[in-house]
Amino acid sequence: QKEVEQNSGPLSVPEGAIASLNCTYSDRGSQSFFWYRQYSGKSPELIMFIYSNGDKEDGRFTAQLNKASQYVSLLIRDSQPSDSATYLCAPEGGGGNKLTFGTGTQLKVEL
Amino acid sequence: DTAVSQTPKYLVTQMGNDKSIKCEQNLGHDTMYWYKQDSKKFLKIMFSYNNKELIINETVPNRFSPKSPDKAHLNLHINSLELGDSAVYFCASSQEWGGTEAFFGQGTRLTVV
Repeated sequence: QKEVEQNSGPLSVPEGAIASLNCTYSDRGSQSFFWYRQYSGKSPELIMFIYSNGDKEDGRFTAQLNKASQYVSLLIRDSQPSDSATYLCAPEGGGGNKLTFGTGTQLKVEL
Repeated sequence: DTAVSQTPKYLVTQMGNDKSIKCEQNLGHDTMYWYKQDSKKFLKIMFSYNNKELIINETVPNRFSPKSPDKAHLNLHINSLELGDSAVYFCASSQEWGGTEAFFGQGTRLTVV
């Protein structure tokens, strides 16, 4: 079992729709969860983080965490073409020592 | 000013050569990392330093040797380069050890021919 699993996609959604990105992780000790966005040929940049079970909203982005199910998700409302990128899920692992990245989900927002 | 900067941005070299990648952060962070992103876009940690001390060394061949002369710098030296070393190498830093946001450099695309 991979440490962090994401559907590689591509996930295609029409402009204005909600994009739902999912991630499962194996390390039950993970306490912090990060979502990074990576445009093609660019470096990853942080868009959301969540520590507690439940939902956390920031603008058009909502992160959802369920530690019991070892599941974290990212919702993007009113998707825009500029949201087209790869989204990397990264639970903190190793006792707080490192981020373990999933392989990422490629999102395509179509006009 | 660039927060985390790496040089060079592109590096093309022949098998067997030795090369170095430099990284500097001006954020005042305590922790720095090297990540490798392969052709399948999988981003994996290689090394982590906290206050110049090596904390994480993920199963990386001995040909890879990081060096941190001070908190703001973390360099990566690679000996006897192999074709499989071709990847994008990202340097990153975070404010403190554990569970905090990592800021990434622009990456160094290494191509071994």
